[in-house]
Order: sequence, then structure tokens, then C-alpha cells
Amino acid sequence: EDQVTQSPEALRLQEGESSSLNCSYTVSGLRGLFWYRQDPGKGPEFLFTLYSAGEEKEKERLKATLTKKESFLHITAPKPEDSATYLCAAGRNRDDKIIFGKGTRLHILP
Amino acid sequence: NAGVTQTPKFRVLKTGQSMTLLCAQDMNHEYMYWYRQDPGMGLRLIHYSVGEGTTAKGEVPDGYNVSRLKKQNFLLGLESAAPSQTSVYFCASRTGQNTEAFFGQGTRLTVV
Repeated sequence: EDQVTQSPEALRLQEGESSSLNCSYTVSGLRGLFWYRQDPGKGPEFLFTLYSAGEEKEKERLKATLTKKESFLHITAPKPEDSATYLCAAGRNRDDKIIFGKGTRLHILP
Repeated sequence: NAGVTQTPKFRVLKTGQSMTLLCAQDMNHEYMYWYRQDPGMGLRLIHYSVGEGTTAKGEVPDGYNVSRLKKQNFLLGLESAAPSQTSVYFCASRTGQNTEAFFGQGTRLTVV
């Protein structure tokens, strides 16, 4: 069964303390690995799409990378406004579904 | 540019009542999705559509029906609401395969 698993479930960091969030996936026929940010009471907001192993994308303090089994979201020198839930999702080519992980709740302490 | 708009934003239903959630997108997207989000469960796919007039089941379709009569609208229906359907419902749309999905702001539904 295809799965997307995120770790850790929750992470507390001090402002400026860099870290990485993990997304492991077992999806046959991967058609895009997506990262989203979700703030409380709001819908997920798109961050990145990765298509092939070795690909990397950056946006401000965030950098997403992809291997054949995992994706990482690296957060460099985070600020309190980076606090949110980060969601990973995989697109599947055989039926056009998008499968989500359960997310990582990130809290950056000032 | 409104993007993806969900109506209503909040609703309280009694067990056994019916209702329809509306999702409207103005981006001319082909694909549309309905998810539910529950604490500790993440986003789970209910139904989706890859074009006007088409629908398909997701992971948790029981108790829900959908229709895509117009390309810009995707309706989610609950025929006889149950407390287990208390959740936050999100609609999303995307251009097609390989592309990212854009989400609405959600509908918080409580069934008492």
C-alpha cells in the first residue's frame, strides 16, 4: 500500500537553530513530491514540488531535497514566523490521487 | 483572483440531516479534490474529479457523494450526517498531473 510518512510529529526549535523535517514515501509511479505549509485555521499553502531524485528547491529559509525514498525540508536559521505544520504529499500517476502525510508541527521559540 | 472558495465556512448539523458543501475555483483547473482533516489523521482523500462530469472515490468515500456538473464547481454531499463526519473539509484544485494543488480555506462541520 502506498504511504507517506513524516517525522518527527512535532519539533520545537530555538530561533536560529537549523533542522530538517523528513518525509519517507513508498509510492509506485511517483508523479511529484509536494511540500505545503499549514497555519492554524487555514488551508495548506503550497511551497515546493520535486519531481526526480537529486532535485533541490529553495525559498527563503527553506530548502527541499528529494531522494528515491525520502524528501527533506531543511530549515536554516528559523524565525518564529516559520512556526506552522508542514505537510508532505505524493502524486500518483496511475490514478491522479495526491496522498498526504500526517504532517510535522514546527514551533520556533523566540 | 479568488482561487479556491469553499462555502460555507462553518456549519452545525444534527444527526441525520443532509447538506452540500460547495467548492468553486476560478483558475480553469481540470482536477478537483475533497479532503477531510482530523486531529492525528492528516488529510484524507474523500472523492476527486479529473474533469467536468467525472468523479472517483478516494480513501474514505463512505457517507459522501460528489458531483462535477460544471468545470469550476465540485460539490460534496452528506445525505445523512453522522457524528463521525465532524471534521474540517478542504477542497483543492490543480491544472493536471505533475502540478501542485491549491487549497481553499476549509469548512468546519460539526454533527451533533
